[in-house]
This record gives sequence, C-alpha cells and structure tokens, in this order.
Amino acid sequence: SAVISQKPSRDICQRGTSLTIQCQVDSQVTMMFWYRQQPGQSLTLIATANQGSEATYESGFVIDKFPISRPNLTFSTLTVSNMSPEDSSIYLCSVGDTTYEQYFGPGTRLTVT
Amino acid sequence: DAKTTQPPSMDCAEGRAANLPCNHSTISGNEYVYWYRQIHSQGPQYIIHGLKNNETNEMASLIITEDRKSSTLILPHATLRDTAVYYCIVRSHNTGKLIFGQGTTLQVKP
Repeated sequence: SAVISQKPSRDICQRGTSLTIQCQVDSQVTMMFWYRQQPGQSLTLIATANQGSEATYESGFVIDKFPISRPNLTFSTLTVSNMSPEDSSIYLCSVGDTTYEQYFGPGTRLTVT
Repeated sequence: DAKTTQPPSMDCAEGRAANLPCNHSTISGNEYVYWYRQIHSQGPQYIIHGLKNNETNEMASLIITEDRKSSTLILPHATLRDTAVYYCIVRSHNTGKLIFGQGTTLQVKP
C-alpha cells in the first residue's frame, strides 16, 4: 500500500486568496487524483493528474480555478484560486493505477472566511 | 461511468453480520465493483473489489449477482469500529476513476 501525506492538514483563508495543497507519496505512482468533499457530502472528483501530461478535469471544474501540477511520480499540488466561502471543503489526494485499489491521503480541511 | 444506488442508512447489532446492498444495473463488461468506507474525518479506506466472482479478504466478502446488476458487501462480525459511510463504486479499469455516490451510513450498535 502507498502512504500519502498532505500539507497543510487544515487552513483558514480569506476570500479572494489562493491556497496550494501538497500531496506526497512514498512510492512512484502513475495516477493521482484530487477530490473535494463539501460539508456533509460525498466525494467529488476534481481532476486526474498524470505525470508528464496536463491534468484532466471533471465537468464543473476548470484549470483557472483549480490549477494542478504533477512534476514527478511522487508529488502533486492542487491550488484553490480566488477562494470564496463555497470552497470550504476537505480536499483529498488519491493515488493508484487503473487496476487496483486507490489509496487516499488524510485530506486538507479548508475554511474560507 | 455506471451509477450505483445504495440505501442511505442501516443499523447492525455488534457481533452480527452486516449486509450492505448495492444496485448497479447499468454496469458494463469492463467495469469492476469497488467498496470503500469512510470513517468520520478520515480519507476513504479500500475494502474490496470484484468483477464477477465472489471475493473475500480479511475485512469483508463481496457477493456479486450472476447478471452483475447488484452486489452485497458482507462484514461478517461487525464491531463498533465498523461504523462508517460505505461507498459502492463502479470503476472502469480504462480510466481508473472512482466516482462516489452518496453511500450507506452504517451504524453498529452495542
């Protein structure tokens, strides 16, 4: 199994600012995914980030709002740009290949005031 | 991606088997059934997955009907620590994406 860490674990930010969330994995992985979990809701996939290619965004999510970097096989960042209170959520990083289980990080709890 | 339907909540007595149903009537031939659970404030935890055969591991058993339109996750001896939201997900091994539904909140009671 993969061990995933995320930084920061939580943050409180003012509206209009941006926050970059880091995801670090202890082994090389092909696929990384970013999810959002709004309060009391299920997880929603934001994008798939594969090393060496542009991230693929799900419907309703755009690169200008959620730019993603994937510089190597063990690291990725998600930026939440120009934040509003509606962006208050838990953001989770997930890793895995296509045929086996995905592993999830502990999440980053973001509150926008 | 095929959608899944689960009951919003279930109760189970501690020590008894918990049987969590899931409907996935639009599943296609190359899609697998995955189960994850999320204990409050933690990231989702992988439980088990299968294609068409029944599967068992140290955590649970997965029973998939012959037509693959539904499945049941079985926790053989539920404990209080099994209280969580359980997600049934149909996953394409082409894309690798996990698309979460609303899940079933399982409450294990003493």
